[in-house]
Amino acid sequence: DARVTQTPRHKVTEMGQEVTMRCQPILGHNTVFWYRQTMMQGLELLAYFRNRAPLDDSGMPKDRFSAEMPDATLATLKIQPSEPRDSAVYFCASRDKGNQPQHFGDGTRLSIL
Amino acid sequence: AQTVTQSQPEMSVQEAETVTLSCTYDTSESDYYLFWYKQPPSRQMILVIRQEAYKQQNATENRFSVNFQKAAKSFSLKISDSQLGDAAMYFCAYRSAFANFGNEKLTFGTGTRLTIIP
Repeated sequence: DARVTQTPRHKVTEMGQEVTMRCQPILGHNTVFWYRQTMMQGLELLAYFRNRAPLDDSGMPKDRFSAEMPDATLATLKIQPSEPRDSAVYFCASRDKGNQPQHFGDGTRLSIL
Repeated sequence: AQTVTQSQPEMSVQEAETVTLSCTYDTSESDYYLFWYKQPPSRQMILVIRQEAYKQQNATENRFSVNFQKAAKSFSLKISDSQLGDAAMYFCAYRSAFANFGNEKLTFGTGTRLTIIP
């Protein structure tokens, strides 16, 4: 089965450090999403891309977060500088054209000390 | 803005029995999609079932079925013959059908933790 691949699976780092999370969407999927899951806020959309172009990043703190798709097989989410409140599970999801459902990766559990 | 409400933070069911998880949503749109996702302790988000609002027939996937009541804005999930592997958090989610207007995000409920009693 084709899967969305996220790396790393876990990341622990100190406050102030740069964090980069990577996502390989399912081959052929043209829409890629970044979600964040916390106990307090639940699952919320940070940003998404279609055909590598950003369509909505209104859920993302612009001062420290950035999301890019350098090519169709790679999406990145960066936090610089990181803060303890960024601790969460970050999910990447992708979907095909039309009205297909989103398929999620296994997430990156991020802990900022 | 759309909202999704799951009023049961936790549910439990005896193995082999049937359980129903509730979900209600609020929207002014006429066309949309509804989903149930399962998140086991491994943290994966697994699509269980989807329903298209314009279809009156309730979706089914093996032991999983939904009761979609559009007028009541209700979308419950029924799990028949519960198995130990069904233990997980279950999230109800909404997505607009008007995806071409940059509105493709999933709006999730807060989840229901399902425990299976052997």
